[in-house]
Amino acid sequence: DGGITQSPKYLFRKEGQNVTLSCEQNLNHDAMYWYRQDPGQGLRLIYYSQIVNDFQKGDIAEGYSVSREKKESFPLTVTSAQKNPTAFYLCAGGGAGNQPQHFGDGTRLSIL
Amino acid sequence: AQSVTQLGSHVSVSEGALVLLRCNYSSSVPPYLFWYVQYPNQGLQLLLKYTSAATLVKGINDFEAEFKKSETSFHLTKPSAHMSDAAEYFCAVRGSGGYQKVTFGTGTKLQVIP
Repeated sequence: DGGITQSPKYLFRKEGQNVTLSCEQNLNHDAMYWYRQDPGQGLRLIYYSQIVNDFQKGDIAEGYSVSREKKESFPLTVTSAQKNPTAFYLCAGGGAGNQPQHFGDGTRLSIL
Repeated sequence: AQSVTQLGSHVSVSEGALVLLRCNYSSSVPPYLFWYVQYPNQGLQLLLKYTSAATLVKGINDFEAEFKKSETSFHLTKPSAHMSDAAEYFCAVRGSGGYQKVTFGTGTKLQVIP
């Protein structure tokens, strides 16, 4: 089936450690997005990419990094500089013109 | 600049009662508007979207929303709540023309009481 696949479902980070969240899509979307979701705050945009080998900072990019080497893949690295990484992370694709974004099922990141 | 306000972070209705979830937006350009639903530990699923073709938009599972430009509103309704409707609902706005990022509301959790 076509869709956005995020892995792992749950992830634990130790102090000072970088962790990478995977996002893969087979919907042929040019654009992909990473959001952070905290209770009561809705979705906040971390990074987005409109095309391969290009990406832009969103509203809360500090402490995060991304790459877009392939159209199908948009991994997010949560670096040790992100002091409050505990959240639910959502990857999305699409959203061109009047089309909605398609979302993965999320990765829940916690601190050990 | 654009923004979305969802009135009421929690809404409770009885099973079979009308569901009304409120969304007001601001946008400097004609907007595209979306309602999404999220079940626990899952991603967002599209319920319906407004793209200027019709002001009354019908979505999945008998949900509908009406775009009212004069009130800058896009409230979500369902005539009769079902237990399976218990979830969190997000309103989102994107401006038309070129690349415009999507802005999400803070969400409304719907509780359905048997």
